Amino acid sequence: KAGVTQTPRYLIKTRGQQVTLSCSPISGHRSVSWYQQTPGQGLQFLFEYFSETQRNKGNFPGRFSGRQFSNSRSEMNVSTLELGDSALYLCASSLSGNGYNEQFFGPGTRLTVL
Amino acid sequence: AQSVTQPDIHITVSEGASLELRCNYSYGATPYLFWYVQSPGQGLQLLLKYFSGDTLVQGIKGFEAEFKRSQSSFNLRKPSVHWSDAAEYVCAVGAGNQFYFGTGTSLTVIP
Repeated sequence: KAGVTQTPRYLIKTRGQQVTLSCSPISGHRSVSWYQQTPGQGLQFLFEYFSETQRNKGNFPGRFSGRQFSNSRSEMNVSTLELGDSALYLCASSLSGNGYNEQFFGPGTRLTVL
Repeated sequence: AQSVTQPDIHITVSEGASLELRCNYSYGATPYLFWYVQSPGQGLQLLLKYFSGDTLVQGIKGFEAEFKRSQSSFNLRKPSVHWSDAAEYVCAVGAGNQFYFGTGTSLTVIP
């Protein structure tokens, strides 16, 4: 089975721009979660989608949004980029998103905002 | 509220020495517990998980972890560390349909 894939792997943007990140989960997985990872902060939960519905949302501003398609692929969008948005963005998929189904992580998208 | 604490931000050990990484959690019910390893610039790879039953669980790469309910801990151990074990180790709790992650412990291995 192919693992979780994320595109692109690296992005460089300037302040004020917007960006869209993509995540393809493992086949058969219906839950996709997004995390922001920065040094010293660990993984900060952004949101989780299950069957095209946002089921959970973390404490991030409305500039961060996402969606999930019928094939479970997910996209994350960040508008009006700020310097502090520079981070590794990780996508994780699981069968159902329940706590007993481990999450499988993609390699991440490294976003740099200049 | 649920939370995961990894008290050690950074640990340095000599190759061949034993290792223990600490993880404490706060959760009202029986949690689902996970340890992940992350190499630089990469995603997280699952090392092991605890759901129920035997409190000592074995994982990949020679790692094991012990669940201690009385201490709300799930510490990761390895009897003999290899240079290739240098990485970031992250503890996580699955609760309901959410996951909570610790801030990670960075492991350096000295030859």
